[in-house]
Amino acid sequence: AQSVSQHNHHVILSEAASLELGCNYSYGGTVNLFWYVQYPGQHLQLLLKYFSGDPLVKGIKGFEAEFIKSKFSFNLRKPSVQWSDTAEYFCAVNPKTGANNLFFGTGTRLTVIP
Amino acid sequence: GAGVSQSPRYKVAKRGQDVALRCDPISGHVSLFWYQQALGQGPEFLTYFQNEAQLDKSGLPSDRFFAERPEGSVSTLKIQRTQQEDSAVYLCASSLARGPQHFGDGTRLSIL
Repeated sequence: AQSVSQHNHHVILSEAASLELGCNYSYGGTVNLFWYVQYPGQHLQLLLKYFSGDPLVKGIKGFEAEFIKSKFSFNLRKPSVQWSDTAEYFCAVNPKTGANNLFFGTGTRLTVIP
Repeated sequence: GAGVSQSPRYKVAKRGQDVALRCDPISGHVSLFWYQQALGQGPEFLTYFQNEAQLDKSGLPSDRFFAERPEGSVSTLKIQRTQQEDSAVYLCASSLARGPQHFGDGTRLSIL
């Protein structure tokens, strides 16, 4: 069965600190990979996605993620966080064939202290 | 609007009542998904439509849950004889075929 693991449940950083959120997935076939962000009181928004090609993907607001196939990982990074990055971050996968739905991790709550 | 619209935003019901949750997808999006998000968890898949056809309902937790999309646009998720464990946020998402999914604000359902 497919599963997505986000090991950091709550991360607290000061502004300008660097961020890395871990995401590992378990699936027997090839997948598309996503990071979604949910700001307080708002809906889930797509931060970035990986379908194929360059495993280093750049998204909105200075975020990037690197797909490492051998480690089944898709970690999210940002060199310098801002207070406005305070939000919940969800990693998700869906298989390239078959089921079209997303499988989500449990989410990581990021709190950035000004 | 340009995004996925869900109504109501909040719904409180007594245990045993039936509820209906509505989703208006982005115009032109053929794929529509329903997810359930419990407190402190990530969204979990319930069901998927391609146009009016319900292609996957493997995530529906019981036969009390029913979803429809009769004209391939608006969708309704119905929960009959609600129970306390049905309390959650219900998310709707839409996409172009297998493209990235766009989510609505969700309906927060509380069963008393």
